[in-house]
Order: sequence, then structure tokens, then C-alpha cells
Amino acid sequence: KAGVTQTPRYLIKTRGQQVTLSCSPISGHRSVSWYQQTPGQGLQFLFEYFSETQRNKGNFPGRFSGRQFSNSRSEMNVSTLELGDSALYLCASSLRELSGGEQYFGPGTRLTVT
Amino acid sequence: GESVGLHLPTLSVQEGDNSIINCAYSNSASDYFIWYKQESGKGPQFIIDIRSNMDKRQGQRVTVLLNKTVKHLSLQIAATQPGDSAVYFCAETGSGGSYIPTFGRGTSLIVHP
Repeated sequence: KAGVTQTPRYLIKTRGQQVTLSCSPISGHRSVSWYQQTPGQGLQFLFEYFSETQRNKGNFPGRFSGRQFSNSRSEMNVSTLELGDSALYLCASSLRELSGGEQYFGPGTRLTVT
Repeated sequence: GESVGLHLPTLSVQEGDNSIINCAYSNSASDYFIWYKQESGKGPQFIIDIRSNMDKRQGQRVTVLLNKTVKHLSLQIAATQPGDSAVYFCAETGSGGSYIPTFGRGTSLIVHP
């Protein structure tokens, strides 16, 4: 069974631009969660989508948004990029909504904002 | 907000030794805990989990211990191998019915052959 895939793997953007990252979950998984990982803050939860609906949201500004499609693939968007948005963005999929079960992470997208 | 933290940022061991990675959590209402392993260039990988109604759970070469009295979690790796070298994270979740995980900063495990 193929794992979670994320595209692109690396991205360089300029401050003020916007970016869209993509995540394809494991086949059959309906929940996709997004995380930001930085050396300073560690791994932080952004949001979770299940059946095309945002079910949970972390403490990030409205510049961070996402969506999920009917095939469970998900995208996250960051508008008006800031230097502090440079991070590894990870998505994770699971069969059910976040409920204390196992999540499977993708390799991440490394975003650099200059 | 409450946070999850690790006692040691780096742990160096010899191949074949047993490793113990510790984690302190502060939210006594958390009821589900997870250990992840993250190798360089990869996303976190689930290792083992434990619910608050248990104090010990064993997997293949790994054991997680939960001490709710002192809010402490540990991961024991038996017969550590070079392939175990990675960053290990603990995460807590389940407080108030919310399963949004809060992650610790991570411990880097270095296994010397």
C-alpha cells in the first residue's frame, strides 16, 4: 500500500507570496491533518480535515488555510508569506477522525521563505 | 498552554545497549500518549502508543511506561541498533475529548556501532 505523498518536496518562495502544498493520503484514509515543524517551535498542529470538512484547527493565523477534496486529497495554502513561515510542513492521514488512533505521516514539504 | 517536554535533547548509546528516552507532560487530563521516530529527511513514524488506563505497553523491542502520578512517559528500546538513530518525539492528546496532539521537542538518539 502506498504511503502518504506530499508535493512538492522543496519550495522556495519570496516574502509576500502565497503557496499551495498538496497531500495525498493512504488509500482509504479519510482524515488528513497538517503540521508545521520548525527548530524553534517543534511540531505544531495546523488543522485536520475529514470528509471534506475541517474538524479541528490549531492556533495559527488565518493566512493558513486548507481544504480537502472528495478523493480525500488535501491542500494547504499559506498567503502573504512571512520569513517565519519557513518550515517543514507535514501531513498525516488516518482512517478515522483524530480520536487517539494511529496517524501516518508523509515526508513533508520543505518551505523556505526569503 | 500546557506543554510536553523531554528531559534530554541528545542520548548517545553503544550498539546493543538498552536506551531509555524520557518525557514529562503537564496536562493531567491527557489520556492518550504516542511515541514517534523521525529519521533525517522523513516524516515522523508511529512507534507505540499507550492510553491512560495502562501503565505499560510492549511492542517489538520497545516498551512504553506511563507514570500518571508524576506525569512521566518513557520509551525503552532494547538492544539498540544503528538503525534506531533518529529523533524521538512524545505526544499527548485526549484532554477534554480533543485529540489534537501536543508534541514534545524531541530527543536525538545516536547509536554508536
